[in-house]
Amino acid sequence: AQSVAQPEDQVNVAEGNPLTVKCTYSVSGNPYLFWYVQYPNRGLQFLLKYITGDNLVKGSYGFEAEFNKSQTSFHLKKPSALVSDSALYFCAVREGEGNNRLAFGKGNQVVVIP
Amino acid sequence: DVKVTQSSRYLVKRTGEKVFLECVQDMDHENMFWYRQDPGLGLRLIYFSYDVKMKEKGDIPEGYSVSREKKERFSLILESASTNQTSMYLCASSLRGVLGEQYFGPGTRLTVT
Repeated sequence: AQSVAQPEDQVNVAEGNPLTVKCTYSVSGNPYLFWYVQYPNRGLQFLLKYITGDNLVKGSYGFEAEFNKSQTSFHLKKPSALVSDSALYFCAVREGEGNNRLAFGKGNQVVVIP
Repeated sequence: DVKVTQSSRYLVKRTGEKVFLECVQDMDHENMFWYRQDPGLGLRLIYFSYDVKMKEKGDIPEGYSVSREKKERFSLILESASTNQTSMYLCASSLRGVLGEQYFGPGTRLTVT
C-alpha cells in the first residue's frame, strides 16, 4: 500500500527564516505526491503536486516542494516564513491506479514565531 | 471557485442516535469523499464515491454508511452513534481526470455524548 510519513509533530520557525516540512513516501510504481494546508477552523486546501517532470514543484502562497527519488522524500519549503503560514500541513500520496483516492500523512503543525 | 459545503459546523448527538452529515459541491465533480480527522492520526478515508449511486469503502468504514443519490450531494450516515465517533468529519470532491486535487468543505465537528 502507498503511504507517506511526516516524522515531526510540530515545526517551530522564526518569521523570515526558511521553513521546511518533511515528508517521506513509500510507493510501488510511480509516486504521485501532494501537499495540503489546513488553516485554523478551515478545511484543507491544495498547495501543490508532483506527477512527473521537474523535481522542484512550485505551488500556492510561495511554497515549493522538492521531489527526491533516491531519498524517497518530498519536503515542503518556503524561503521566508510568515506568521500567517502557521497551520497544519499534510503530505499525501495517490493510492492505486485510475482513481483519485489519496493516503494522507498525520500532519505537521507549523508555528511561525513573530 | 469550487465550493464544498457541509450541513453543520458543530453537532452534538447522543449515543445510539442516527446521524446524518450532508455534503454538497457545486462544481459537477464526479468524485466525492468522506474523511475523519483526529489529532495524531491525520485524515482517514471512510467512504468515497466516483459516481451517482456508486460507493466504495475506505480505510475505516465500520459504523458508517453513505448515500449518493445526486451528483452534487454525498451523505454520511452514522447508523447508531457511539462516543468513539466523536471527531472532525471532512467532505471533499474532485474532478475525474485531475489527479489528486481534492476540494474540501469546512468540516463538521461531531460530539457524541
